Order: sequence, then structure tokens, then C-alpha cells
Amino acid sequence: AQSVAQPEDQVNVAEGNPLTVKCTYSVSGNPYLFWYVQYPNRGLQFLLKYITGDNLVKGSYGFEAEFNKSQTSFHLKKPSALVSDSALYFCAVSGVVSGGYNKLIFGAGTRLAVHP
Amino acid sequence: DTGVSQNPRHKITKRGQNVTFRCDPISEHNRLYWYRQTLGQGPEFLTYFQNEAQLEKSRLLSDRFSAERPKGSFSTLEIQRTEQGDSAMYLCASSFRDSPDTQYFGPGTRLTVL
Repeated sequence: AQSVAQPEDQVNVAEGNPLTVKCTYSVSGNPYLFWYVQYPNRGLQFLLKYITGDNLVKGSYGFEAEFNKSQTSFHLKKPSALVSDSALYFCAVSGVVSGGYNKLIFGAGTRLAVHP
Repeated sequence: DTGVSQNPRHKITKRGQNVTFRCDPISEHNRLYWYRQTLGQGPEFLTYFQNEAQLEKSRLLSDRFSAERPKGSFSTLEIQRTEQGDSAMYLCASSFRDSPDTQYFGPGTRLTVL
């Protein structure tokens, strides 16, 4: 069965410092991996995805993520955090299942708090 | 706004009442998904449509839940005889046939069952 783990409920970082939000996954076959961000009272916004190719994926708002197959991880990173990055971040995995569609399996989320 | 839209944004109802939510996907997106998100958890898959065909339903979707997408455009999710455990955020997402892996989410409908 496919699953996603986000081991940290909350990550605290000072503005201007680099940030990392961790994600590990379990999936049979080649994974499709995603990061979404959720601001209060709003839906999820797509940040980036890994399907194949370069292990370092660049996405929206200066975020990037590194796919590591041996460690089954897909950590989200940003070189310099902004206060406006404070939000709830979800890692998700999908794969081709019967019918050929891709339902997303989400982690429980990590709250990122960036302090001035 | 050309994103996914959902109505209503908030719904408060009494236990036992029926509620219906609507989702309008991004134009020309042929795939439409419903998810449920409870406090402190990530979204959980409920059901999926490709055009007007409902191709998969999660075990989370009890007999009290029904979803339709009659013309392959908008979709409705109905919950009959609501229970307090149905209180959650109901999210809709859509994706395009040429890039089915990327789902775009609407703002959600927050349901509170009293």
C-alpha cells in the first residue's frame, strides 16, 4: 500500500534562514511525488512535482525538493525563508492504479512557522 | 477566476439533514476528484470521475454519500442523514487529460454538523 510520512508536526525557522520540510514515502513501482501548500481557510496550492529525471525539482515561490530513491525521501527546501511562507505543507504520492488514474495519498502535514 | 470553484464555502447543518455541495472544475479538465480533510490530517480520497463516469469510490464513501458529474463538467456531492462525524472540509480537484498527474484544488466546503 502507498503511504507518506511527514515526521515533523511543526518546523520553526528564522526569516532568511534555509528551511527543510521532510517527507518519506512508501510505494510500489516508480513514485509520482508532490508538495502542496495550504494557507488558512484556503484549498491546497500545487508547489512542485517529481515524475522522472533530475532528482532536484524546482517549483513555485522559490521552493525546491530533492528526490532520494535510496532513502525513499522527497524533502522540501528553500534557501531563504520568508514570513509569508508560514503555512501547512503536505507531501503526497500517487501512482498509476487500476483505471489509469492517479489519486493522491497525502501525509498528515507539517506546519511551517517562519519567525521575523 | 479560472480555478476550481466550490459552493458553498461553508455549510452548517443539523444532524440528520441532507446537504449537497457543488464543484466546478477548471474548464476542459476531464478528471475530477473529491477529497475529505479533517482537522490535523491530510486530505483523504473519496471518489474520482473521468468525464461523467465515476470510476472509483473509497471505502470512506458510505451509502449516505453520493456523487455525480452528469455532463462531465460540474460535480455534486450529496450527504444524506448527516452525522457529526461528517464534519470536515470537502475538497474538489481537477486535472487535465494531457497532464493527469497534477491536480488543482478548489477552496473547499467546510461542513459543520451540529
